[in-house]
Amino acid sequence: AQTVTQSQPEMSVQEAETVTLSCTYDTSESDYYLFWYKQPPSRQMILVIRQEAYKQQNATENRFSVNFQKAAKSFSLKISDSQLGDAAMYFCAYRSRDDKIIFGKGTRLHILP
Amino acid sequence: DAGVIQSPRHEVTEMGQEVTLRCKPISGHDYLFWYRQTMMRGLELLIYFNNNVPIDDSGMPEDRFSAKMPNASFSTLKIQPSEPRDSAVYFCASSLEKQVYNSPLHFGNGTRLTVT
Repeated sequence: AQTVTQSQPEMSVQEAETVTLSCTYDTSESDYYLFWYKQPPSRQMILVIRQEAYKQQNATENRFSVNFQKAAKSFSLKISDSQLGDAAMYFCAYRSRDDKIIFGKGTRLHILP
Repeated sequence: DAGVIQSPRHEVTEMGQEVTLRCKPISGHDYLFWYRQTMMRGLELLIYFNNNVPIDDSGMPEDRFSAKMPNASFSTLKIQPSEPRDSAVYFCASSLEKQVYNSPLHFGNGTRLTVT
């Protein structure tokens, strides 16, 4: 069975600085999909970025980018120029070949003004 | 597109009572997922459906939990009887198949369940 691990329960970053959230996963599949979601205090789940495992190029969305290392089974999220609105829980997610989607336990990100 | 709609937003009930959570997925989505979120365990997948058929219910914690999807536009998650340890936020989410531009999950706003 696949698992997703986020080893950092909490992180803090100074406003305007860069922060990287880590995510590793365990799988025997070669074809899968990865996501990062953000959950602000409103409880809403918001898609941040997505990556297909067959694509070697790292996905980027404005200030958000990933470092996808397939061999290492690592999928970290980099947030550049951190803003106060980035403060939230961040979840890494894995979608398997049979479309099961599982999440890590999350990393709470604090932005320091 | 109204998004995924969950009801109620909050539910407070007494131990032993039956609780029914409801979800309307986005029209045209093939997949529907139920998750439970707690501080201790994060987001746990309870069950998911494809074209109204349950595919994997291995995350359903006990026989007290059941889920149905009688048609493409409605699903329920029922807990009977409820217990205080069932207190959590329950999310419903829907998705197209992954081949459609790596279709992500679209979440409802969740139901916060409190069992006293």
